[in-house]
Amino acid sequence: GQSLEQPSEVTAVEGAIVQINCTYQTSGFYGLSWYQQHDGGAPTFLSYNGLDGLEETGRFSSFLSRSDSYGYLLLQELQMKDSASYFCAVRARGPDSGYALNFGKGTSLLVTP
Amino acid sequence: SQTIHQWPATLVQPVGSPLSLECTVEGTSNPNLYWYRQAAGRGLQLLFYSVGIGQISSEVPQNLSASRPQDRQFILSSKKLLLSDSGFYLCAWRGTGLSVPTGGANVLTFGAGSRLTVL
Repeated sequence: GQSLEQPSEVTAVEGAIVQINCTYQTSGFYGLSWYQQHDGGAPTFLSYNGLDGLEETGRFSSFLSRSDSYGYLLLQELQMKDSASYFCAVRARGPDSGYALNFGKGTSLLVTP
Repeated sequence: SQTIHQWPATLVQPVGSPLSLECTVEGTSNPNLYWYRQAAGRGLQLLFYSVGIGQISSEVPQNLSASRPQDRQFILSSKKLLLSDSGFYLCAWRGTGLSVPTGGANVLTFGAGSRLTVL
């Protein structure tokens, strides 16, 4: 079967750095993505890792190790507006399946003053 | 630019009533389309995906169905709603070929969602 594991909740202080881990089990793998969702809103794309290594986009970085079936999202210089849910998502299927994503249950990040 | 529209935004329906949620994408052609459901405080569950007109794949057997009558239109339906159908329904698209959003073909772009309460 397929599964994604990520912590359910994380709390951090404004200005700090936080890392959200994601481990996955899947029969096929075409990449790992991260999405942010604020309360009541729709998920929005943050980053994608198709190959091993680190991808950096501003204050956010994402890492992938395919051999370990593991990835993480790193958020630096935390701001209050970063309080949201963060989802890792595995692209476990190929083009015939529209590269459909399987999402984890999400990590609720609370940034405190 | 590409945009995705989803409606209605909110609806309250009695058990046993029918359902129709609609999603349209503008500014692209031949997108991959998806319906996800999110229960309160939970992750996103893939319900259906479509790689072309009339091509629907179902992920979870249930009393919901989907249709894609036009290239950029995706409809989620039910003949008789159950209490367990309550949730936040999200339509999403992924660009293919030359019609990709900012960030490329790796990006799933979601609509604003439809919040369904079945009473």
